[in-house]
Amino acid sequence: NAGVTQTPKFRILKIGQSMTLQCTQDMNHNYMYWYRQDPGMGLKLIYYSVGAGITDKGEVPNGYNVSRSTTEDFPLRLELAAPSQTSVYFCASSYSNRLAGSYEQYFGPGTRLTVT
Amino acid sequence: AQSVTQLDSQVPVFEEAPVELRCNYSSSVSVYLFWYVQYPNQGLQLLLKYLSGSTLVKGINGFEAEFNKSQTSFHLRKPSVHISDTAEYFCAVGADYGGSQGNLIFGKGTKLSVKP
Repeated sequence: NAGVTQTPKFRILKIGQSMTLQCTQDMNHNYMYWYRQDPGMGLKLIYYSVGAGITDKGEVPNGYNVSRSTTEDFPLRLELAAPSQTSVYFCASSYSNRLAGSYEQYFGPGTRLTVT
Repeated sequence: AQSVTQLDSQVPVFEEAPVELRCNYSSSVSVYLFWYVQYPNQGLQLLLKYLSGSTLVKGINGFEAEFNKSQTSFHLRKPSVHISDTAEYFCAVGADYGGSQGNLIFGKGTKLSVKP
């Protein structure tokens, strides 16, 4: 199993450009998440999904959009990139059912994004 | 709503010394708790988790944590640290709604620096 994979690993964007961060998991998890990590601030939830076709906002959704057309994929879209979106972005996935073992989240390796 | 506080942003220790990384949480419902570790330029990796049962939980790499409901704490401990334990550690709390999960709230992280 590859687990959670993210592409690209690094990206530099100019202000106003747009891009999509890709996230794929092969563990058949129904929950998926996008976080951003800023120095000294921990992880902040951007969006999450409880299954294909269902998404919801997290703590910091402004400036981002998501979609979930399949169980495996959960892309994050940045429209009109701004310097405040410079961050490291992590995708994660988990089971939702206690009987499945746990609620732990499995993380991808991250995408380091710089907006200048 | 839940919240989590990691009481130390940085903890320097010498190799082979014991270490405790402190985590306090608040919640009006039952919780489940996690400690994650992040090595430089990597994603988060689960160290250990508390879902229910024994309040002393053991994780990977010789770490353990104790859930203390009265103190609302979940401190992470290791009796003897190695240089390779140098990393950032995150405590996370989620609400237990008795079969369904709430989203995880992460602390701001504690940077453990192990010196020779």
